[in-house]
Amino acid sequence: DVKVTQSSRYLVKRTGEKVFLECVQDMDHENMFWYRQDPGLGLRLIYFSYDVKMKEKGDIPEGYSVSREKKERFSLILESASTNQTSMYLCASSTDPPTGNQETQYFGPGTRLLVL
Amino acid sequence: GQNIDQPTEMTATEGAIVQINCTYQTSGFNGLFWYQQHAGEAPTFLSYNVLDGLEEKGRFSSFLSRSKGYSYLLLKELQMKDSASYLCAVYYNQGGKLIFGQGTELSVKP
Repeated sequence: DVKVTQSSRYLVKRTGEKVFLECVQDMDHENMFWYRQDPGLGLRLIYFSYDVKMKEKGDIPEGYSVSREKKERFSLILESASTNQTSMYLCASSTDPPTGNQETQYFGPGTRLLVL
Repeated sequence: GQNIDQPTEMTATEGAIVQINCTYQTSGFNGLFWYQQHAGEAPTFLSYNVLDGLEEKGRFSSFLSRSKGYSYLLLKELQMKDSASYLCAVYYNQGGKLIFGQGTELSVKP
């Protein structure tokens, strides 16, 4: 069964702290993605990766970095957390790059982060 | 940009039919997804359309018109458990990422 897991469901951090959000998938997918989801704004792509040690900026990368040292793991890092980074963070993975065939993104359960 | 537009919220009655529309920019279009997301949960895949026409899957159907940049999700025989957010996402030909609309919050009432 397809599975994407995230290290925490709920997290509370203080302003200025360094925060690590971990995502692991067991489907041998090449592509992994980090989104944040906020009311009225929908899902917005922060960073994505097509391969180990490879990363691409999404639409809102400012204040974030990522790490992909192993194929199954994609980490999102908040170098210095701020209150405007309070959000729901969703990790996703998918199969090979576009070929025109059907593919889906499989989502993890999400991490609700509160920055005080 | 690649704006994906869908209504913010809709209300329908149990047992009825509801249609949720989505419009998008056509340049670079490579396919369109619909996801369902219950409150506090991750999105789950409903459908994928790449060719024009209607795809039916039980109570849910999805339609696509590539030339018009338009899709809809049709939900029949609505049940209370269908109350959720429905996300339209477009797959553009620029590296495999999905662009999501803001989602349509559907409330099903008795």
